[in-house]
This record gives sequence, structure tokens and C-alpha cells, in this order.
Amino acid sequence: NAGVTQTPKFQVLKTGQSMTLQCAQDMNHEYMSWYRQDPGMGLRLIHYSVGAGITDQGEVPNGYNVSRSTTEDFPLRLLSAAPSQTSVYFCASRRTGRQYGYTFGSGTRLTVV
Amino acid sequence: KNEVEQSPQNLTAQEGEFITINCSYSVGISALHWLQQHPGGGIVSLFMLSSGKKKHGRLIATINIQEKHSSLHITASHPRDSAVYICAVSNTGTASKLTFGTGTRLQVTL
Repeated sequence: NAGVTQTPKFQVLKTGQSMTLQCAQDMNHEYMSWYRQDPGMGLRLIHYSVGAGITDQGEVPNGYNVSRSTTEDFPLRLLSAAPSQTSVYFCASRRTGRQYGYTFGSGTRLTVV
Repeated sequence: KNEVEQSPQNLTAQEGEFITINCSYSVGISALHWLQQHPGGGIVSLFMLSSGKKKHGRLIATINIQEKHSSLHITASHPRDSAVYICAVSNTGTASKLTFGTGTRLQVTL
């Protein structure tokens, strides 16, 4: 099993450009989520999904869109990148149920100039 | 005040020392998670606790639900333990959402 795969690992964008961060998992996990990690702050939830076709906003959703057309994939879209979106982004997944822990991807380091 | 507080923020230890990292939280939780992040690396889940104590190799995690406090212990520390250790909680009622502490940066020297 590959676990949670994030692509790309690094990306530099110009302000105003759009891009999609990819997240895929092969564990048939129902729950998937996106976080951003900024210096001096804990990871913060951007969007999450409890299953295909269902998404919801987290703590910092502005500037980001998500969709969940399949169980495996949960892409994060930046419609018009801003320097404030410079961050490290992590995708995580888990099975539904409080007894299950999380599996994290290796992260995407995004710089917006 | 953050919902999840960790201490210390930074910790330097010599190889072989016993290490303790603390986590306090202010909300009701369904579980507490300890995560490890190596420099420039991804995040690995070490433990998920809802009560008591868990042990994996040289790592031990404990939780006191009444005091809203958890500790992560590393016995016989080694330079490869150098990483950021992150505490996170799953809130009650929204068990799939995590609230994170800001992490404890551990450096173990020879």
C-alpha cells in the first residue's frame, strides 16, 4: 500500500495563478482532510470530507476549493494564489470511527511570489 | 489561549537521556494523538489515546482525562529521535477534526 500520496512535493506560483494540489489514498478511507502548516502555529484544517460527494469547510477555508468525486482522491484547488497561501500543506485520511488514527501524506511546500 | 498547549517548545538532550514532552488541552476530547515530524519530512502518527497508557518501543504515551493532560516519554533517547513532536486532539462531537498544538522541537546530541 502506498498510503497517502501528495503531489507535487514543491511548487512555486506567481500571485494570481491557480493550481491543484493532489491527494490520493489507497486504503479505502472514508475521511480525508487538508491542513496547512505555518511557522509558529499548529496545523490548521482547511477542508475535509467524510465520503465521496461530501465536503465541508474547516478553520481556514477561504481561497481554497475541494471536491471528492471518488473515495481515493481529494484535490485542493487554489483559484487565485496569494502570498498568504505560502505554506506547507498536508493531506490526511482515516477510516470512520473514533478508534482509528490518521495517515498523513508527505506534504507539499508551496511558495507564492 | 490555545485549546492545545505543549511544553516545552524546544528541548535539547544528550543521547541516552529520558525525555518528557507535555500536552494540556482545554476542551472535551474523544482521543489525543501524538505525531512526529522530522525536518523537511512528513508527519507520522505515533499514538492515539483515549485513556491510560500506550507503549511502542522506547516511546510511552500517557493520558489523564480528568486533568486534561498527556505526556510523551522517550527512554534512552537517540539522535534519530530528533524531530518535532506534535500533540493533537479530536474534539467530542466532531471526532474526525483535529486541533493541533504548536509542537515541541527535540534535538538529541551525541
